[in-house]
Amino acid sequence: DTEVTQTPKHLVMGMTNKKSLKCEQHMGHRAMYWYKQKAKKPPELMFVYSYEKLSINESVPSRFSPECPNSSLLNLHLHALQPEDSALYLCASSQGTGRAYEQYFGPGTRLTVT
Amino acid sequence: QKEVEQNSGPLSVPEGAIASLNCTYSDRGSQSFFWYRQYSGKSPELIMSIYSNGDKEDGRFTAQLNKASQYVSLLIRDSQPSDSATYLCAGRSYNTDKLIFGTGTRLQVFP
Repeated sequence: DTEVTQTPKHLVMGMTNKKSLKCEQHMGHRAMYWYKQKAKKPPELMFVYSYEKLSINESVPSRFSPECPNSSLLNLHLHALQPEDSALYLCASSQGTGRAYEQYFGPGTRLTVT
Repeated sequence: QKEVEQNSGPLSVPEGAIASLNCTYSDRGSQSFFWYRQYSGKSPELIMSIYSNGDKEDGRFTAQLNKASQYVSLLIRDSQPSDSATYLCAGRSYNTDKLIFGTGTRLQVFP
């Protein structure tokens, strides 16, 4: 089973709102990722958590705040977003970090900022 | 700047034909490569991974890696209209967990 789940599927928020995206996997994977994907572009890495510790932050603006409460859960807290932050937000997980590990994506959350 | 390059397409092939998708990469330190399929409005789905020079087959899919030429390809045999999607090639260096994605090739399989 290679299932990563994400909630909500769709989210519309105003620029002054605070919301959170959630991601869950029950595959025993120890690495989890947040990506952002704009239309007709490849996914862009935002954050990597390895063994529940933040290992990569791709210079993401502070209005995006990741959290990894445990090895199965990953959150992305959103605050004071801009319309250009509208995109598909993808969560992925892998067994570990390193070259041999495959990343599996969740279905994504389609975010619209108004 | 480490890059993975793909022709954006569209690549149009008739049903039943072999579709050949190609990808080149600039980082000689890249150790592993992945092909993802992405339908419009959906998330990427992993199809194949390849780490060693040569061919790797899985059903109708064959991934090929040539490290000397810095070239990765995906062959889809007996193409079906349901294979119509964007195919993303991604590479990863040995010392990082970051995947470098190509821009994707759009494949259209017509009946």
